[in-house]
Amino acid sequence: GNSVTQMEGPVTLSEEAFLTINCTYTATGYPSLFWYVQYPGEGLQLLLKATKADDKGSNKGFEATYRKETTSFHLEKGSVQVSDSAVYFCALKSGGGADGLTFGKGTHLIIQP
Amino acid sequence: SAVISQKPSRDICQRGTSLTIQCQVDSQVTMMFWYRQQPGQSLTLIATANQGSEATYESGFVIDKFPISRPNLTFSTLTVSNMSPEDSSIYLCSVTLTGKNTEAFFGQGTRLTVV
Repeated sequence: GNSVTQMEGPVTLSEEAFLTINCTYTATGYPSLFWYVQYPGEGLQLLLKATKADDKGSNKGFEATYRKETTSFHLEKGSVQVSDSAVYFCALKSGGGADGLTFGKGTHLIIQP
Repeated sequence: SAVISQKPSRDICQRGTSLTIQCQVDSQVTMMFWYRQQPGQSLTLIATANQGSEATYESGFVIDKFPISRPNLTFSTLTVSNMSPEDSSIYLCSVTLTGKNTEAFFGQGTRLTVV
């Protein structure tokens, strides 16, 4: 079956530091890959996505590249801000729209001023 | 995008009782899903809500415990039956939109506490 493994937190960084949150996956076929973010007290929001190998998703300074050879979708940001403090979930969807998402366990990111 | 209204936003319930959660979407929807997020855990798919037919449940979830209805394209309910403290979780409705099947949108969730 499908599975997503991401680094466990909490991850604590200083403002303006470089961020990497690792995510690897196991799936049949060619899944679509996502990063979702959950800010304190808010619902789950799509941060970025990639639907095929070598695609790069980007949003709000965050990037992730779909690496089929390493089955990875690591999230990166060059300079984090306090407002980036949140829980980040890596997820995949195999097949078409009929399938739900498989989520990783989430990484709690804390950015200190 | 889509606006997903989920009600109630939170509730505290007695064990042995049932709670029905509603999900209403303002856009044309292809798929509707229900997830559970247990305290400190990730999201787990409970079932796919199918219009006009029985929901499709994931392994570990059964209709008697989590009956689901979807009478039309934009509305669904999830009932948590005969609740126990282990059912304390956040329950989330999720949809994919017509023509945007690779992207899922989520409601704000229902925070359920069973005492």
